[in-house]
Amino acid sequence: AQKVTQAQTEISVVEKEDVTLDCVYETRDTTYYLFWYKQPPSGELVFLIRRNSFDEQNEISGRYSWNFQKSTSSFNFTITASQVVDSAVYFCALSGTSSNTGKLIFGQGTTLQVKP
Amino acid sequence: DAGVIQSPRHEVTEMGQEVTLRCKPISGHDYLFWYRQTMMRGLELLIYFNNNVPIDDSGMPEDRFSAKMPNASFSTLKIQPSEPRDSAVYFCASSLGGLRYEQYFGPGTRLTVT
Repeated sequence: AQKVTQAQTEISVVEKEDVTLDCVYETRDTTYYLFWYKQPPSGELVFLIRRNSFDEQNEISGRYSWNFQKSTSSFNFTITASQVVDSAVYFCALSGTSSNTGKLIFGQGTTLQVKP
Repeated sequence: DAGVIQSPRHEVTEMGQEVTLRCKPISGHDYLFWYRQTMMRGLELLIYFNNNVPIDDSGMPEDRFSAKMPNASFSTLKIQPSEPRDSAVYFCASSLGGLRYEQYFGPGTRLTVT
């Protein structure tokens, strides 16, 4: 069975601090896809990044960076110099490639609060 | 470009009533997904369509739930009869290419069944 675990339920930081959101996944597929989504207080889900299992290069997009490590089945997300606008719930998600694992499975989410 | 459009944004209804949620996917996207979000169960995939055909409805909680996609630009999720435990936020999402690719979500419909 596929599973995504976001062990941090809530994180609170002060603006300008760096923060890392953890994501650990389980799958038996050799090919799979990992995603991060952001859900701000307004409620919509916003796509942030997609990564396939064969690409372990870290990715940086502005203040956001992602660290994918197959050896530890982790896909962590770091926000550098956090801002109040980063306050949101962040979801890690996994999609396998076989017929019974192809659904997108979401973690329970990490609520990030950035205080001014 | 318009994103995924959902209506209504909020729905309050009494137990036993029929509820219909509507979704217009992003033009050109060939996959459409319906999700439900609750505090207890998080985000759950209910059903998804490919080229208007239902592919997997194993997430639909029970026979009271049904979904249709009569054409590429419109889908409905119907609950009949509604129950208080159906109260949740229902999201529609669409993607180009399926489950391996990013999905774009609508703003959601917050359903309250009293």
